[in-house]
Amino acid sequence: GQSLEQPSEVTAVEGAIVQINCTYQTSGFYGLSWYQQHDGGAPTFLSYNALDGLEETGRFSSFLSRSDSYGYLLLQELQMKDSASYFCAVRDTSRGSTLGRLYFGRGTQLTVWP
Amino acid sequence: EAGVVQSPRYKIIEKKQPVAFWCNPISGHNTLYWYRQNLGQGPELLIRYENEEAVDDSQLPKDRFSAERLKGVDSTLKIQPAELGDSAVYLCASSFYGNNEKLFFGSGTQLSVL
Repeated sequence: GQSLEQPSEVTAVEGAIVQINCTYQTSGFYGLSWYQQHDGGAPTFLSYNALDGLEETGRFSSFLSRSDSYGYLLLQELQMKDSASYFCAVRDTSRGSTLGRLYFGRGTQLTVWP
Repeated sequence: EAGVVQSPRYKIIEKKQPVAFWCNPISGHNTLYWYRQNLGQGPELLIRYENEEAVDDSQLPKDRFSAERLKGVDSTLKIQPAELGDSAVYLCASSFYGNNEKLFFGSGTQLSVL
């Protein structure tokens, strides 16, 4: 089976740094993905980590530790527009075709205050 | 480049009525997904197509849900008859086979069953 745990809510002020953690259990593992979803909008891909370490993309960074089954999304220089839900996702390689199935966490609602 | 297009955007029906959702994926994306997202939850996979073949439909409630992807492009998801518990956002996503960690989602169809 598989499970993903991430905090349900995080709040921060503009300009601050926030870290959203994700721990996972899955049968087989390809990597950890992060998606952003604004209220009423489509989930949007942010990042993907297949190997241990930190991946940086502008103000957003994502980290993975395969040995700890743990990753996080780091958002720097927060802006009001970053208020959204953030989902971690893992692919279970035991399901379906060679691609497996992508499982999403329940999401973390980030609220950025002025 | 056009994104994933879904219609309708909203649908309100009474229980026991049929309903259908339509999705046009990004051109060239051979993998198509239908996800269901309940309020406050992450997306959950209903079915995944690789071209016109349904390769993972184990989470599709086949007694009332059906899907098709004719010619490996557009897809339709149908519910008949709808139940109160089917109220959710139905998301379509597509990806290119060589980069299946990056899903492109449509804005979804918000279904309300009364």
